[in-house]
Amino acid sequence: GAGVSQSPSNKVTEKGKDVELRCDPISGHTALYWYRQSLGQGLEFLIYFQGNSAPDKSGLPSDRFSAERTGGSVSTLTIQRTQQEDSAVYLCASSLWAAGGNTIYFGEGSWLTVV
Amino acid sequence: DQQVKQNSPSLSVQEGRISILNCDYTNSMFDYFLWYKKYPAEGPTFLISISSIKDKNEDGRFTVFLNKSAKHLSLHIVPSQPGDSAVYFCAASVSSFGNEKLTFGTGTRLTIIP
Repeated sequence: GAGVSQSPSNKVTEKGKDVELRCDPISGHTALYWYRQSLGQGLEFLIYFQGNSAPDKSGLPSDRFSAERTGGSVSTLTIQRTQQEDSAVYLCASSLWAAGGNTIYFGEGSWLTVV
Repeated sequence: DQQVKQNSPSLSVQEGRISILNCDYTNSMFDYFLWYKKYPAEGPTFLISISSIKDKNEDGRFTVFLNKSAKHLSLHIVPSQPGDSAVYFCAASVSSFGNEKLTFGTGTRLTIIP
């Protein structure tokens, strides 16, 4: 597609439920990133993929968070047993390849509210 | 440990004047810097970047200056327009494989006053 596409755009879920957030990167981009922004905070790195592998998972806040990418394209970020502090906008981004010095392009984000 | 810092959470500038947004970093390994602009309810959009081999990069109304010795960069917007009102994020990375992620600052909300 023309840009990074994320779904759902908004999600309200009850505490303790699992949620899945989906990202469809720009066609041809091999690198895919997940960031999140909590209210009043900057962008926090979660994980990135080069192809289907995730060399850097260092930003995942806890073992309730996981992500996968299949076919070198679509990625899913899963949050299990959601907590209120998980409320944030989850941003997906992609770039041609995973290398520093490369511009990454963001989607519009999935706004998650845990009540 | 905040490796990229934007110490001004907000800035108001009169339309037509120059807007200067500042960013400081602590990691001397960073060698590639970017500015992103974010409107409410939208994802950040790439604005301009600079490699550490340069000290200035210009694109239309936007110029980024890099002072490596001071570990400081700034974004100049001139002349400022109402559509420039947004949150601006500074980001940095290390240009080598194995260091792919961008480290972002906390953002500066720029308001252009008509």
